[in-house]
Amino acid sequence: GQQLNQSPQSMFIQEGEDVSMNCTSSSIFNTWLWYKQDPGEGPVLLIALYKAGELTSNGRLTAQFGITRKDSFLNISASIPSDVGIYFCAGQGSGNQFYFGTGTSLTVIP
Amino acid sequence: SAVISQKPSRDICQRGTSLTIQCQVDSQVTMMFWYRQQPGQSLTLIATANQGSEATYESGFVIDKFPISRPNLTFSTLTVSNMSPEDSSIYLCSVETGLQETQYFGPGTRLLVL
Repeated sequence: GQQLNQSPQSMFIQEGEDVSMNCTSSSIFNTWLWYKQDPGEGPVLLIALYKAGELTSNGRLTAQFGITRKDSFLNISASIPSDVGIYFCAGQGSGNQFYFGTGTSLTVIP
Repeated sequence: SAVISQKPSRDICQRGTSLTIQCQVDSQVTMMFWYRQQPGQSLTLIATANQGSEATYESGFVIDKFPISRPNLTFSTLTVSNMSPEDSSIYLCSVETGLQETQYFGPGTRLLVL
């Protein structure tokens, strides 16, 4: 199945720094979702985007639905140690299936 | 949102045996899905669990290996049959709820096949 390209693959940052990651697709999507997965847990939904150009925030997290409908971005401001985990994007086109990104592993150094 | 539970949370199994994983949702949902996540990898859709009819499998997954039941709108099971070490993965149940397309995941079942 289709897989989304997510970058960077991993990030090591100092506590307090801002984080940016993105997800790109060769296909147009109608919905973008961003998840965080902690070790030993299932993915937890962070932000859902349904409209091209949409910018949505959830606390220190902000995500955008790219205007081309082929990409999405997630930003985390003022990172803290509990932000550590793997972040996945997911996109849905005209069908029911969601396609998942390859993941971005975030490490926050206190 | 939806609260999803899975049983068992983890298991260690011998090759050649089968394991059935249960997924319970706290509300009625139309769409339920089963995913596999191999170590360090992304999520791969196994199948869509359809209530009252056979599951819809993705390419590379077959009913004989991964039989699925969906007896009602809040419950589904996935069986991993005739297991081999290559089946060692996290198996995740997810549901789609609400008027807008959003998927929520269960905590996962961690399977190790020896």
